Amino acid sequence: AQSVTQPDIHITVSEGASLELRCNYSYGATPYLFWYVQSPGQGLQLLLKYFSGDTLVQGIKGFEAEFKRSQSSFNLRKPSVHWSDAAEYFCAVGAIQAGTALIFGKGTTLSVSS
Amino acid sequence: KAGVTQTPRYLIKTRGQQVTLSCSPISGHRSVSWYQQTPGQGLQFLFEYFSETQRNKGNFPGRFSGRQFSNSRSEMNVSTLELGDSALYLCASSLGLAGANVLTFGAGSRLTVL
Repeated sequence: AQSVTQPDIHITVSEGASLELRCNYSYGATPYLFWYVQSPGQGLQLLLKYFSGDTLVQGIKGFEAEFKRSQSSFNLRKPSVHWSDAAEYFCAVGAIQAGTALIFGKGTTLSVSS
Repeated sequence: KAGVTQTPRYLIKTRGQQVTLSCSPISGHRSVSWYQQTPGQGLQFLFEYFSETQRNKGNFPGRFSGRQFSNSRSEMNVSTLELGDSALYLCASSLGLAGANVLTFGAGSRLTVL
């Protein structure tokens, strides 16, 4: 079974500064990787996904993530954070193999300071 | 098109009671996944249904059950409620199996057990 670790429970970044949220996964085969964002009181929204191909993927709201197979990582980055980016971010791992559920990490809460 | 609809949005129950939550997926989506979200635990996978069949089940006791109807609508049931069942229950739908597709989430059903 697959698993996801998000090492940082809470991160505070100054507005305009760069951001990197860490995600490490464990899965024996080729994973499908996702980042979702949850704003307070709202459901989850997909930021970006990696299925195959280019290991650097672009998402919405200026976010990008890089898949590094050798490090089993899929870190989320943004060059310049806006106050509206304050939210909870979840990394998730799935796979094409039938019977593989989508498993989420415990999330990282991002606070943005002015 | 309409999103994922979850009902009820809020409910309060007492210990020992049972509860049924409903989820209407996006039209055309055949997979419905359920997650329990609690502070600090992130999204814990409950189960996934695809074409009326349970495809995956998370590590929850048998008090948690679900089903999917021929129109892809899904329900989950929790019997003999415990205080620890208080949580936000999220439903998500996808075109195909959840592990290999983008999930669209509903706003959730917030259950409080007294």
